[in-house]
Order: sequence, then structure tokens, then C-alpha cells
Amino acid sequence: AQKVTQAQTEISVVEKEDVTLDCVYETRDTTYYLFWYKQPPSGELVFLIRRNSFDEQNEISGRYSWNFQKSTSSFNFTITASQVVDSAVYFCALSEAMGWNQGGKLIFGQGTELSVKP
Amino acid sequence: DAGITQSPRHKVTETGTPVTLRCHQTENHRYMYWYRQDPGHGLRLIHYSYGVKDTDKGEVSDGYSVSRSKTEDFLLTLESATSSQTSVYFCAISFGGPMAETQYFGPGTRLLVL
Repeated sequence: AQKVTQAQTEISVVEKEDVTLDCVYETRDTTYYLFWYKQPPSGELVFLIRRNSFDEQNEISGRYSWNFQKSTSSFNFTITASQVVDSAVYFCALSEAMGWNQGGKLIFGQGTELSVKP
Repeated sequence: DAGITQSPRHKVTETGTPVTLRCHQTENHRYMYWYRQDPGHGLRLIHYSYGVKDTDKGEVSDGYSVSRSKTEDFLLTLESATSSQTSVYFCAISFGGPMAETQYFGPGTRLLVL
């Protein structure tokens, strides 16, 4: 069965520290997609990134970077020089096909609550 | 931002009453989903739709039904609400593809069943 584990339930850092959020997944599929979403205190879910299983290149977007390693089934997310506005719950998710032409189900991890203190 | 709205945004109801939540999109996306979010569980899929009148069950579908009579609207109904259905409900949409397309989420509905 497919599964996503975010072992860190809560992380607290001081502003300007770097922080890495871990995500480990399990799947028997050879083709899959991985996602990160951010849920700020206001409650909405904000899409951050999508990676497919054939692309292991690391990605950087401003202060955010993602490290995808198939050998360890991990898709970790690093925030460099954290800011108070980064405080949120972050979810890692894995896609599962529901049948041809039927869309895709997302398997979510439990989420990591990041608190960045000034 | 994807054009997704959910109504109501907050609702308090009593055990045994029927409740309908509405998801409305202006993106003309084919796929729509209902998830619930509970502490310690992340988000879990309740039902999904892959076209008008085409729906199927997700992993936590017991006690819920859905309908989709128009592309833009996806309704989630709790036939007889129970306290275990107290949760935050999110609707999501995606343009297409079996699994490759990104899902975009609505603002959520907080439901409290007393």
C-alpha cells in the first residue's frame, strides 16, 4: 500500500535558521508524483511543488529547495533563512492513479507544523 | 489562484441531521475531489468525480454521498451527521490526467456535529 510518513510532528526554529522537513514515502508504482503543500494559520492549502519519479534533480525556488532521492524514497523540503511567515503546517503527498482517465488520489502525510519565532 | 469556492465555510449541526456541502469551480476542470482533514491523519479522500454524473468512492466514504450534475458543482452530503464527521472538509480540482495533474484546493468548510 502507498504511504507517506512525515516523522516530525512539530518543529520550532528561530528566524533565519535553516530547517529541513522530512518526507518518506512507500509505493510499488514505478511512475508516481510527489507534492508539497503549505497550510498557513488561515487554513487554506497552498500548492508548493510537484515532482515526478523520473526527475531526481533538486529544485530551488528562492529560499525553498527540495531534495528528491529515489534510493531512500525521500522527498525532503528545506527552507533557508526561515522567516516568521513560513510558520505553517507543511504536507507531503504522493499521487496514486485511480484508473485510466479517473484522476489521481493524493496520499497525504500527517503534516509537520513549523513554528518560526522572531 | 484557482477559482474554487466552498459553502458554507462554517457549520454547526446536530447529530442525525442531513448536511450538504457545496464546492463550486470556475475553472471548467474535469476532476473534483472531497477530502476531510483530521488531526494526525493529514487529508483523506472521501469521494471524487471524473466528470458530470461520474463519481466514485475514496478511502473514507462511509456515511457520505456525492452528486455532480454540472461541471462546476460537486456536492457532498452527510445523510445523517454523526460526531465522528466533525472535521474540516476540503474540495479540490484538477485539470486532468490519471495522476499527474496538480490538485488545487478550496478554502475549506469547518463542520461541527454536536
